[in-house]
Amino acid sequence: GDSVTQMEGPVTLSEEACLTINCTYTATGYPSLFWYVQYPGEGLQLLLKATKADDKGSNKGFEATYRKETTSFHLEKGSVQVSDSAVYFCAQYKAAGNKLTFGGGTRVLVKP
Amino acid sequence: ETGVTQTPRHLVMGMTNKKSLKCEQHLGHNAMYWYKQSAKKPLELMFVYNFKEQTENNSVPSRFSPECPNSSHLFLHLHTLQPEDSALYLCASSGLAGSTDTQYFGPGTRLTVL
Repeated sequence: GDSVTQMEGPVTLSEEACLTINCTYTATGYPSLFWYVQYPGEGLQLLLKATKADDKGSNKGFEATYRKETTSFHLEKGSVQVSDSAVYFCAQYKAAGNKLTFGGGTRVLVKP
Repeated sequence: ETGVTQTPRHLVMGMTNKKSLKCEQHLGHNAMYWYKQSAKKPLELMFVYNFKEQTENNSVPSRFSPECPNSSHLFLHLHTLQPEDSALYLCASSGLAGSTDTQYFGPGTRLTVL
């Protein structure tokens, strides 16, 4: 079945370091891909999305490119801040199945 | 108020209690969702409503009973829950279930079952 796999955390890094969170998916067809972020005590917020191969989603300094050949959607940020500390979820959506499938989430802790 | 709101934000209940969670969306969306987020487990889709009609029940136990009186409101009625039902319950909405529209989430209700 369809699934999303992302690296387990926690990921701990210093302010201004580079962040990469790997995400791969398995699906038949061509899903839309999302990154959501969950700050402490809050619900999920859409961070960025891409709906077709080679699309790049970007927001708040984060980027992810839809790579069909490697079935990946890795999240990157060149210089993180303490305020980026959160749990990040990769997800895929297929209209045919009417389902948004999430990865397990990756906790990121940025230290000053 | 904008976006998706949920009340209460925190709820503690005994196994014999009956309580309800409320979700309201102010985005003009037609589809609403209930998710369960437990520690160390992926988000689990529970129910999907599209134009007030339930279109998905993801094998949820009958002690959880959803209600969608209109496209802006969604309830989750709880009765005779178990301690393992303790979790964060998230509501979401989107433009139309079955499309590629993005789902927008509320802040969640943190439920503790004693």
